[in-house]
Amino acid sequence: DADVTQTPRNRITKTGKRIMLECSQTKGHDRMYWYRQDPGLGLRLIYYSFDVKDINKGEISDGYSVSRQAQAKFSLSLESAIPNQTALYFCATSDPRGTGEQYFGPGTRLTVT
Amino acid sequence: QQQVKQSPQSLIVQKGGISIINCAYENTAFDYFPWYQQFPGKGPALLIAIRPDVSEKKEGRFTISFNKSAKQFSLHIMDSQPGDSATYFCAANNDYKLSFGAGTTVTVRA
Repeated sequence: DADVTQTPRNRITKTGKRIMLECSQTKGHDRMYWYRQDPGLGLRLIYYSFDVKDINKGEISDGYSVSRQAQAKFSLSLESAIPNQTALYFCATSDPRGTGEQYFGPGTRLTVT
Repeated sequence: QQQVKQSPQSLIVQKGGISIINCAYENTAFDYFPWYQQFPGKGPALLIAIRPDVSEKKEGRFTISFNKSAKQFSLHIMDSQPGDSATYFCAANNDYKLSFGAGTTVTVRA
């Protein structure tokens, strides 16, 4: 969905490096989410934010941190990347006045060597 | 621990056939059950969704069947087409957070 953009789209980094994945949205939604996708595991929630001042851990937050810089921007950081964090990462948004549908960005493929 | 169990992991169907994907859950607090479709290199996109007060919902060739007492729901793709080849995820919502199944890769052979 072009309304939710993620940068970079692909990234290769080394173990121990700090890396930030960025998400921007033009949908005007208050709620934003970060997921990781692994084969055979589906999508798992890392962090979510229901407004600019609200940050919540998801089911797999260890090793990650987030920053909600504005309603439209939600960044995910890996403070010290490890190979186990190699995955596809997705940002999503939803409208609290809507049906519950989440709108996903195109994803960032992260490889930690 | 995966809150939504999805099967099968993959399936192959002939063009014109029916694809069926099943999901089961335990948490009775779930109040919204969407299915997402994902093509390679893309993010998941909502395909169809149902609320637990309805037993079936149909949109074109896609139908969700929902069994509240059994805590199961399924996606049926009728008259499967090669363009339906994708990965499908069931999900369940609680408090505006989605729990996803592991995904099913559907391949439609022409």
